Amino acid sequence: AQSVTQLGSHVSVSEGALVLLRCNYSSSVPPYLFWYVQYPNQGLQLLLKYTSAATLVKGINGFEAEFKKSETSFHLTKPSAHMSDAAEYFCAVSRLLGNTPLVFGKGTRLSVIA
Amino acid sequence: GAVVSQHPSRVICKSGTSVKIECRSLDFQATTMFWYRQFPKQSLMLMATSNEGSKATYEQGVEKDKFLINHASLTLSTLTVTSAHPEDSSFYICSARLGRDYGYTFGSGTRLTVV
Repeated sequence: AQSVTQLGSHVSVSEGALVLLRCNYSSSVPPYLFWYVQYPNQGLQLLLKYTSAATLVKGINGFEAEFKKSETSFHLTKPSAHMSDAAEYFCAVSRLLGNTPLVFGKGTRLSVIA
Repeated sequence: GAVVSQHPSRVICKSGTSVKIECRSLDFQATTMFWYRQFPKQSLMLMATSNEGSKATYEQGVEKDKFLINHASLTLSTLTVTSAHPEDSSFYICSARLGRDYGYTFGSGTRLTVV
């Protein structure tokens, strides 16, 4: 079985500060990892995904994440937070192959303080 | 490309009535559709997996007689909430896995409110 754990249900940062959202995964097979963002009353938007190629993955809106197998982590970072980054962020995992669903973490709500 | 169109986006229904949610794959064939439910301020929980031409597979704790899933064609999967109750009020989202890069595409979601 696969799962992800997001550490911290709520993270608050000042505008311009570093954003760090933590995600640890558990998987018995090579994982396929994703970060999604969800704005209030909206659907999911893909930020980035790891597909076993480069361990440092760059996504949209200045976000990036690094896959660390030794730490079973896939933390999401952004050097400088913007007010528009305030949203709910979900880490998710699936198998690399096969028609299997995504398994989501509980989510982390990011607040950005002016 | 690879768009899943989900309708309706928002629906309000009375207790005891049924509501059908549709997900159509517009430019690809979806042999499998995943259905998720998201309660307010919570994560997305997989409810069921629908497969074209066969019975859906439900996750533990999801009532198959209440949440009817039909996947009659490669481009359409439907979720019908039967005899809806206020506790069924939630955000329902469908998703399909893409073959070319193993990514996923999601519908825009349906906000169901049962009054």
